[in-house]
Amino acid sequence: EDKVVQSPLSLVVHEGDTVTLNCSYEVTNFRSLLWYKQEKKAPTFLFMLTSSGIEKKSGRLSSILDKKELFSILNITATQTGDSAVYLCAVRGSYMYSGGGADGLTFGKGTHLIIQP
Amino acid sequence: NAGVTQTPKFQVLKTGQSMTLQCAQDMNHEYMSWYRQDPGMGLRLIHYSVGAGITDQGEVPNGYNVSRSTTEDFPLRLLSAAPSQTSVYFCASSYRVGLSPSGNTIYFGEGSWLTVV
Repeated sequence: EDKVVQSPLSLVVHEGDTVTLNCSYEVTNFRSLLWYKQEKKAPTFLFMLTSSGIEKKSGRLSSILDKKELFSILNITATQTGDSAVYLCAVRGSYMYSGGGADGLTFGKGTHLIIQP
Repeated sequence: NAGVTQTPKFQVLKTGQSMTLQCAQDMNHEYMSWYRQDPGMGLRLIHYSVGAGITDQGEVPNGYNVSRSTTEDFPLRLLSAAPSQTSVYFCASSYRVGLSPSGNTIYFGEGSWLTVV
């Protein structure tokens, strides 16, 4: 069974701090890893990672994947109160449907990040 | 550009009642899925569909039915609601995984908050 573990489950920091969120996984036939940010409503897409060692950046957020050690990290520098959210990690594993179309996404439980002013 | 539209946003049901959560997308995505999100449990897949006329079970399918008569619509039916089905439900869609080996970004609806009393 595919498994995605995120840590920490919750984190409280002060504005301006740098945070690192972790995602480790055990997935059959790994294809990609995705990070989402969820505020009060639907998750919004941040990054998709497929190759080890290649950093993806978007403003103050960055992420990297290590396919040998089976983990990814999401970094947020110079945090702001607007970064407060649940950050979800999801991994795509094996095709479950012989028609070649099953998504095989498994989500972690999320990291609840709170940025205090 | 509507994206993924879910209705209703909020619903209170009595135990034993039935109802349908509606999901529609206007992006011509082949792949659609339903997740439920419970505190501390992350997103769990209920049912998914890889195209019109094709559906399959996810991790937690019991108590739910789906159908996919058109590409655009993917309704989720609760046949006889139970308090254990109190949750937030998200519909998601994406292009069919086969178009890209690593998979494609999935787009979420705004969520449906369901309470069963």
